[in-house]
Amino acid sequence: ELKVEQNPLFLSMQEGKNYTIYCNYSTTSDRLYWYRQDPGKSLESLFVLLSNGAVKQEGRLMASLDTKARLSTLHITAAVHDLSATYFCAVGDMRFGAGTRLTVKP
Amino acid sequence: EAQVTQNPRYLITVTGKKLTVTCSQNMNHEYMSWYRQDPGLGLRQIYYSMNVEVTDKGDVPEGYKVSRKEKRNFPLILESPSPNQTSLYFCASSLAGGSNEKLFFGSGTQLSVL
Repeated sequence: ELKVEQNPLFLSMQEGKNYTIYCNYSTTSDRLYWYRQDPGKSLESLFVLLSNGAVKQEGRLMASLDTKARLSTLHITAAVHDLSATYFCAVGDMRFGAGTRLTVKP
Repeated sequence: EAQVTQNPRYLITVTGKKLTVTCSQNMNHEYMSWYRQDPGLGLRQIYYSMNVEVTDKGDVPEGYKVSRKEKRNFPLILESPSPNQTSLYFCASSLAGGSNEKLFFGSGTQLSVL
C-alpha cells in the first residue's frame, strides 16, 4: 500500500527566510502533485511533476521530484505572509500526505 | 467559468437520517472522486469514478454510496450517517483518471452528524 509522509507537519517561519517541505512515499511512482489549501478554503493545484528530476517553479515556490529516492521537495524562497497555507503532496492515483501547515510571520 | 460545484456548504444532521451531498462539474471531465479531510490525516479517498456508470471504492468507502448516471454529476450518499462521518468533504474532478492531470476541487461540505 502506498504511504505518503510529509514533514514537517507544522512550520512557522519568518518573512524573508528560506525553507523546504519534504514529501516521501513508499512505493514507486512517477506522478506527484502539490496542492495548496488556504484556511477554510478548497485545494488548488500548484505543481504537477511527472518524471525523475522534474523541477517546476512558480514565484517563490519550487518543486522537485526524485523518483529513485521517492522524494519530492517544495522549496520556499524568501517567504512572504501570503504563502501562509497548508500544502499537500499527492502521489500516483492521488494518495495525499497529511499536509504541512505553513505560517509566515513578519 | 470552469468549476466543481458542491452543495450544501454546511450540513448538520442527526444519526441515521439519510443525506446526499451533490457534486457537479462543467468541464466535461471523465474522472470524479470524493475525499474526506480530517485533521492530521490529510485527504482520504472515499469513492471515485472513471466515467459514467463506472465507480470504485477508494480507501475509506464504508458507510458511503455514490452513483454516476451522468458525466457531470457525482453525488455522495450517506444512507445512515454516524458521528464518525463528521468531516469536511471534497468532490474533485479531472480530465481522466490516471492521466497525469491535476484535480479540480469543489469548495467543500462541512458535515456534522450529531
